[in-house]
Amino acid sequence: QQQVKQSPQSLIVQKGGISIINCAYENTAFDYFPWYQQFPGKGPALLIAIRPDVSEKKEGRFTISFNKSAKQFSLHIMDSQPGDSATYFCAASADVYSGGGADGLTFGKGTHLIIQP
Amino acid sequence: KAGVTQTPRYLIKTRGQQVTLSCSPISGHRSVSWYQQTPGQGLQFLFEYFSETQRNKGNFPGRFSGRQFSNSRSEMNVSTLELGDSALYLCASSLSPETYNSPLHFGNGTRLTVT
Repeated sequence: QQQVKQSPQSLIVQKGGISIINCAYENTAFDYFPWYQQFPGKGPALLIAIRPDVSEKKEGRFTISFNKSAKQFSLHIMDSQPGDSATYFCAASADVYSGGGADGLTFGKGTHLIIQP
Repeated sequence: KAGVTQTPRYLIKTRGQQVTLSCSPISGHRSVSWYQQTPGQGLQFLFEYFSETQRNKGNFPGRFSGRQFSNSRSEMNVSTLELGDSALYLCASSLSPETYNSPLHFGNGTRLTVT
């Protein structure tokens, strides 16, 4: 059972454009929603994270929007750059303890983002 | 500060063998988690250790096991390897098991190929 659904699977954006990746979750017990960025040959690196008590969080060019009632959250990358080309994963966990509840962090399937110069 | 170190980077094993992967967390980090990454299933949680105790375990068969030492270093073991165990195994560390204030830092993984 996939508890976090991520879309699109792949995305091509022109340099300077806005990249938008969406995730939907099913488990209402989730209360921590991070986004990870992964380059080929590297492990995932935390980009930005949000808790459900806020609807938006911004760090530099990266913004998470969170809709608790719809059980959806999204990542917006403003002024996308070729260096942003990577695979992005959304994730969720059921409590504030690292590794989540019994299932640790539940990841989406990933979005392969390509920023064209 | 050195990141999470995983050794070896690549492994090739034969079906039926067993394998041990090693992880050294970031200095000062006491929590270590393991994830399996495959093209089909994505990233899946294996287990988490804190202060040498397994706190959580994912939905994997008993062939997958791990342990954590007093210096927070961790190992995971897979016995009786199957072709489907071919994957990138990622270790992640954090200061404590508190996720939001203590995010996970991943290593670059061990690529295991089972033939």
